[in-house]
Amino acid sequence: GQNIDQPTEMTATEGAIVQINCTYQTSGFNGLFWYQQHAGEAPTFLSYNVLDGLEEKGRFSSFLSRSKGYSYLLLKELQMKDSASYLCAGYNDYKLSFGAGTTVTVRA
Amino acid sequence: DTAVSQTPKYLVTQMGNDKSIKCEQNLGHDTMYWYKQDSKKFLKIMFSYNNKELIINETVPNRFSPKSPDKAHLNLHINSLELGDSAVYFCASSHDGNYGYTFGSGTRLTVV
Repeated sequence: GQNIDQPTEMTATEGAIVQINCTYQTSGFNGLFWYQQHAGEAPTFLSYNVLDGLEEKGRFSSFLSRSKGYSYLLLKELQMKDSASYLCAGYNDYKLSFGAGTTVTVRA
Repeated sequence: DTAVSQTPKYLVTQMGNDKSIKCEQNLGHDTMYWYKQDSKKFLKIMFSYNNKELIINETVPNRFSPKSPDKAHLNLHINSLELGDSAVYFCASSHDGNYGYTFGSGTRLTVV
């Protein structure tokens, strides 16, 4: 099974950088995903790591260390629209298992 | 052209009623899922179907019954609704789970 932990809340200023950490314990791990969910909306796919290292996609980057059971999502040049919940999810046993999500609030 | 569409978007009903939520995807994916998101925003898998066959059935009361008439549709029927069933239910689909899921917009179920 999977046990996924991430901080509950984070606050940052517009234009700043925020790093959301995620740790997991899992057997048969097959990939680590990050999703963004705005209030009242569906989760949307942000990034995916299956191998160790950094994946960069514009202002968003995600890092994975399988040996440490650790990932982070890096949000750069924060914008007000980035205020949302960010969900870390591990894939194994044919399903995505989600953490409880980190609510990021961006302040002007 | 919605990729994963579910209906209704909102559903308010009384305890004890039976209700259904429908989901359709036009992405050509072969696997579909139902997730429940509770008031604490925790997203938890309920069921998964691959090519119309049930492959995941988490610990869910048997009042919940999924049905997949074809691989583009996965419906969720709930009998004898209880207050604790109030949540947002998300349908999702994937071609291969390794490439992530596409979620529908959710159905907010309120049982009164």
